[in-house]
Amino acid sequence: DAGITQSPRHKVTETGTPVTLRCHQTENHRYMYWYRQDPGHGLRLIHYSYGVKDTDKGEVSDGYSVSRSKTEDFLLTLESATSSQTSVYFCAIGGGADSSTDTQYFGPGTRLTVL
Amino acid sequence: GNSVTQMEGPVTLSEEAFLTINCTYTATGYPSLFWYVQYPGEGLQLLLKATKADDKGSNKGFEATYRKETTSFHLEKGSVQVSDSAVYFCALSLDSSYKLIFGSGTRLLVRP
Repeated sequence: DAGITQSPRHKVTETGTPVTLRCHQTENHRYMYWYRQDPGHGLRLIHYSYGVKDTDKGEVSDGYSVSRSKTEDFLLTLESATSSQTSVYFCAIGGGADSSTDTQYFGPGTRLTVL
Repeated sequence: GNSVTQMEGPVTLSEEAFLTINCTYTATGYPSLFWYVQYPGEGLQLLLKATKADDKGSNKGFEATYRKETTSFHLEKGSVQVSDSAVYFCALSLDSSYKLIFGSGTRLLVRP
């Protein structure tokens, strides 16, 4: 299995507070992604990164920002959390230098509740 | 736009029954197609994939064939087990960033 960890695994916060989720990989994959999973929607891409300091928006990027200062780490920040951002957040990596270049590997997820 | 449509669940089967989960897609261009599986409390795992028309992906007894003419990638298994109970996601990837577009997922429950 790809080495991907997410922290924290669970978080409860209040509306209006900033929240940062961390994704860490040990696989040296070029691409990293943040998705959110909500009932009836599957997974939707929030932001992704194609290299250090190189990021781009996904389908549901409003209210989120990201940063990637090292290959291993990809941070997702909710500047001012809202109840609509209550969700399960998954990090994924891809673009490995082998035959599975187009395959994404997922972390265990972070369950975020915004009260 | 690009999208993936899956049959709604839950799908409830008895052990050893035949499984089909339908997946169709809309895409500009020639996507790669994937099935991911999510077991309770876990992240997603790649189950199988196909990168061009008529390719068949297979893994753990599951199969899916990339059908360009019907824009479909249906998941099948000849004899399901209780341990196959999970949520199955169909997805496509279109460009060099390998971003995935997912269907809404289909929950499978297999009863002993």
